[in-house]
Amino acid sequence: SQQGEEDPQALSIQEGENATMNCSYKTSINNLQWYRQNSGRGLVHLILIRSNEREKHSGRLRVTLDTSKKSSSLLITASRAADTASYFCATEAKAGTALIFGKGTTLSVSS
Amino acid sequence: ETGVTQSPTHLIKTRGQQVTLRCSSQSGHNTVSWYQQALGQGPQFIFQYYREEENGRGNFPPRFSGLQFPNYSSELNVNALELDDSALYLCASSLVLADTQYFGPGTRLTVL
Repeated sequence: SQQGEEDPQALSIQEGENATMNCSYKTSINNLQWYRQNSGRGLVHLILIRSNEREKHSGRLRVTLDTSKKSSSLLITASRAADTASYFCATEAKAGTALIFGKGTTLSVSS
Repeated sequence: ETGVTQSPTHLIKTRGQQVTLRCSSQSGHNTVSWYQQALGQGPQFIFQYYREEENGRGNFPPRFSGLQFPNYSSELNVNALELDDSALYLCASSLVLADTQYFGPGTRLTVL
């Protein structure tokens, strides 16, 4: 079963614009992670935010976590065509255990 | 590049057959997890192995089984294949109790 839901399911933007994806989950977590997947290939780890953190940055990525609302958001600033991919949030209840993924957001960035 | 490799890349089987998928972990990683990703869905956890023992299992029937070898490479075996087993199978390696899992490129299994 899926733990979380990403919103929106699909997002189309122009190069240079910002892209925001949201993730909601159901149970308590140790951490929440975001992954990118290009064309049904392997998953690339983007960023991890722990349950006691509220915001984290990595390059053009900004992730927020609100444990009271059981939600997270991923912001990609100044999008590029190469950012076109599916983005998944995944929660981990305890370190080193199963990742529970949402259904993903498909991002299309056109030039 | 995560250092995790999987073979084969693609595989076509018929219903009722058995299949073995292979995964080579990133150097130094002692934990491997397997996930099934159906088309248009997020990956779903199948099971995890640590030091050659199963260390957690998702909601998959017993015909999904695995092995982890002393060199930490791993196999996923699926018996009595069903049409719904058609999916991308991903393995991920990590250090035990570590947060981050490193995924391989996946094996695309098609069951006809």
